Amino acid sequence: GENVEQHPSTLSVQEGDSAVIKCTYSDSASNYFPWYKQELGKGPQLIIDIRSNVGEKKDQRIAVTLNKTAKHFSLHITETQPEDSAVYFCAASRRDTDKLIFGTGTRLQVFP
Amino acid sequence: KAGVTQTPRYLIKTRGQQVTLSCSPISGHRSVSWYQQTPGQGLQFLFEYFSETQRNKGNFPGRFSGRQFSNSRSEMNVSTLELGDSALYLCASSLMGSGANVLTFGAGSRLTVL
Repeated sequence: GENVEQHPSTLSVQEGDSAVIKCTYSDSASNYFPWYKQELGKGPQLIIDIRSNVGEKKDQRIAVTLNKTAKHFSLHITETQPEDSAVYFCAASRRDTDKLIFGTGTRLQVFP
Repeated sequence: KAGVTQTPRYLIKTRGQQVTLSCSPISGHRSVSWYQQTPGQGLQFLFEYFSETQRNKGNFPGRFSGRQFSNSRSEMNVSTLELGDSALYLCASSLMGSGANVLTFGAGSRLTVL
């Protein structure tokens, strides 16, 4: 069945360090991989996404990489700041649907 | 441009009651999907609507239902509430629901069942 595994479940880093979160998906028909950031009391907010025809995408301090063969994708945050502290979710979906299969989330804490 | 609006934000119900949650998508968005978020199960897909038609449904019992109106606003209903239905219910909208558009989430409706 459709499944997305996400690791680690918690991640603590010092301000200025890098953070990496990894996900693995099971559905080979998945072609869209968004990453969401959720702060306390708010809904998930899209921070970056990647489609299966692209191997890497970068937006300032955030980058995502995709390995279709291994069915892995990862989120990289460089020069972390305390405001990056939140829960991050990876997700995967197929073409022609808004049905997202979410990972279990990673609680990132950035200490000043 | 207003975001996705969900009402009510918080509500408390007792077992056996029913509840209706409302979602107003971003103006111009025609697709609305619903997700349930709990500490134990994470974010789980409930259903997806496009042009008033349910296109996809998650693995939830028939007590969970939804609908979409001609103005794209959507409602979901949970009947015969159980303690395990306590959760944050999130609505998301996208332009065309084709999987090619970004989903924007609302802040959610937090349901507590006593």
